[in-house]
Amino acid sequence: EVQLVQSGAEVKKPGESLKISCKASGYTFSSHWIGWVRQMPGKGLEWMGIIYPDDSDTRYSPSFQGQVTLSADKSINTAYLQWTSLKASDTAMYYCARHGSASTGLLDWGQGTLVTVSS
Amino acid sequence: QTVVTQEPSFSVPPGGTVTVTCGLNSGSVSTYNYPSWYQQTPGQAPRTLIYSTNIRSSGVPDRFSGAILGNKAALSITGAQADDESDYYCVLYMGRGISVFGGGTKLTVL
Repeated sequence: EVQLVQSGAEVKKPGESLKISCKASGYTFSSHWIGWVRQMPGKGLEWMGIIYPDDSDTRYSPSFQGQVTLSADKSINTAYLQWTSLKASDTAMYYCARHGSASTGLLDWGQGTLVTVSS
Repeated sequence: QTVVTQEPSFSVPPGGTVTVTCGLNSGSVSTYNYPSWYQQTPGQAPRTLIYSTNIRSSGVPDRFSGAILGNKAALSITGAQADDESDYYCVLYMGRGISVFGGGTKLTVL
């Protein structure tokens, strides 16, 4: 069974850095793209970008390019989403999800990580 | 800028059929956009219903189906049930590894 288990909720101040994680099991982690999706409070889903864990090839939505960094450690089957300087507007739920391939959509989802940025 | 369009809301009676569509602000949707569909209820993670236009994800009942209708992707729900009341999102693949979500459709069953 495919499982994606995300790290717990975070409360941060503006300007702080943060790295949240997504640990995968039940499939060959290095062979499937992992994507990240943002959902701001009361809003829709937004596709942020994907990473291929085997070689760390990354593709970012233009809306998120330069704002976040995706990474992965295939030795521990874990993907990461990172900010260097959080803003209040980064307050959202963040989901990781396994892609079938880069094109075929998101097949399996993590439970989400709530990030709250407030002074 | 690529915008993926969906109807903001739909209402369907119990037992009825509804078709939600997913279009592009510029151009037509084709199978090369690999449309996928997701269901989300409040407070829950999304659930994958359909990928690659018309392939049902594991465990999804055959009341849910996907297709290309005209120049849009479409998700049809037949025999609507109360627990189908959710937000539905499509995703279109735009090439070079980039995908885009639609704005979502809020489905009411009443």
